[in-house]
Amino acid sequence: NAGVTQTPKFQVLKTGQSMTLQCAQDMNHEYMSWYRQDPGMGLRLIHYSVGAGITDQGEVPNGYNVSRSTTEDFPLRLLSAAPSQTSVYFCASRPTAGGELFFGEGSRLTVL
Amino acid sequence: GENVEQHPSTLSVQEGDSAVIKCTYSDSASNYFPWYKQELGKRPQLIIDIRSNVGEKKDQRIAVTLNKTAKHFSLHITETQPEDSAVYFCAARARDTGRRALTFGSGTRLQVQP
Repeated sequence: NAGVTQTPKFQVLKTGQSMTLQCAQDMNHEYMSWYRQDPGMGLRLIHYSVGAGITDQGEVPNGYNVSRSTTEDFPLRLLSAAPSQTSVYFCASRPTAGGELFFGEGSRLTVL
Repeated sequence: GENVEQHPSTLSVQEGDSAVIKCTYSDSASNYFPWYKQELGKRPQLIIDIRSNVGEKKDQRIAVTLNKTAKHFSLHITETQPEDSAVYFCAARARDTGRRALTFGSGTRLQVQP
């Protein structure tokens, strides 16, 4: 059982470049989300989805886009990377009814 | 929206001592309060959670208490061991809101000295 899988684990970008962080889960969870983790600031919600075709903004959505075409996948897109987006990104999912949020291993992004 | 504050930001204890981490939340509609442990370079993992219909929950050396009136909850670790060293995050969620997202505290780095 793979759980929540994120790729890539590490990425270095130049300012202005675009990229997509991939997230897939095999637990049939309807709810999926993206958080960023910065030192001293905990985990902040970027975007989330309560099911295929439904997405909504979290606490820090600017500079990021998401889509949810299938239950399994929830990619996070950076359209024009900025140094302020240097962070560790975590994808997480849980059942609709609530309970434990399962995290992926994280993706460390550096924007130069 | 919900705001969760967590204290202290760092905590150093001797092996065998107890450790207490405290969190406050702002949204009175929040009714689910999990605690996550994150070891260095790893993903956060749930260690214990509590719902608003109970005041305390224990699991071996870990316990969580909730005071709904004061809007604060705490994590208690007894008989600490070096493997308890990690960053701990509290979180809160209002189950019946449209967002249904967890809001996390800023984290507490716990160091257990052998």
